[in-house]
Amino acid sequence: AQSVAQPEDQVNVAEGNPLTVKCTYSVSGNPYLFWYVQYPNRGLQFLLKYITGDNLVKGSYGFEAEFNKSQTSFHLKKPSALVSDSALYFCAVRAGFKPGGSYIPTFGRGTSLIVHP
Amino acid sequence: EAGVAQSPRYKIIEKRQSVAFWCNPISGHATLYWYQQILGQGPKLLIQFQNNGVVDDSQLPKDRFSAERLKGVDSTLKIQPAKLEDSAVYLCASSLDPGRSNQPQHFGDGTRLSIL
Repeated sequence: AQSVAQPEDQVNVAEGNPLTVKCTYSVSGNPYLFWYVQYPNRGLQFLLKYITGDNLVKGSYGFEAEFNKSQTSFHLKKPSALVSDSALYFCAVRAGFKPGGSYIPTFGRGTSLIVHP
Repeated sequence: EAGVAQSPRYKIIEKRQSVAFWCNPISGHATLYWYQQILGQGPKLLIQFQNNGVVDDSQLPKDRFSAERLKGVDSTLKIQPAKLEDSAVYLCASSLDPGRSNQPQHFGDGTRLSIL
């Protein structure tokens, strides 16, 4: 069975500092990896994805993520945090093909990012 | 483009009552998902449709939950009868797919269900 782990419930960072939100995964075969952000009382918004190719993926709002196959990780990063980046971040994986079906997405528990002024 | 529309935004019912949620996906999106998001947890897939066929419903509590997607567009999710543990946000999402799992999902703002 596939799974996603986000080991930190909360990440605190000062505005202007770099941030990292961690994600590790377990899956059969090659993973498709995604990061989403959720603001209060809103649905999830897509940030970026890794499908294949370059291990460093760039996405929306200055975020990027690095795929590391040997460590089965896909950490989200940003060089300089903004207060407006404060939100809930979810890592997701799709793999595990089911005959006659499609790839089923699995989400992590989420990490609350708090950026202090 | 218009996003995924969900209604109602909030619903409060008593246990053992029934409730229904509605979702209208982004035009042209073949795949539609219903998720349950309990407070403090990530979204859990309940059911996935591709056009009007069910792709996966392995995590749907079929004794009380049902969903349909008539004509491959709008979808409804129903709970009958509701239990206290059903209190959650129900998210609908859609994606271009089909069969191309590298497509991101587009989420609606969800329905917050409270069971008294």
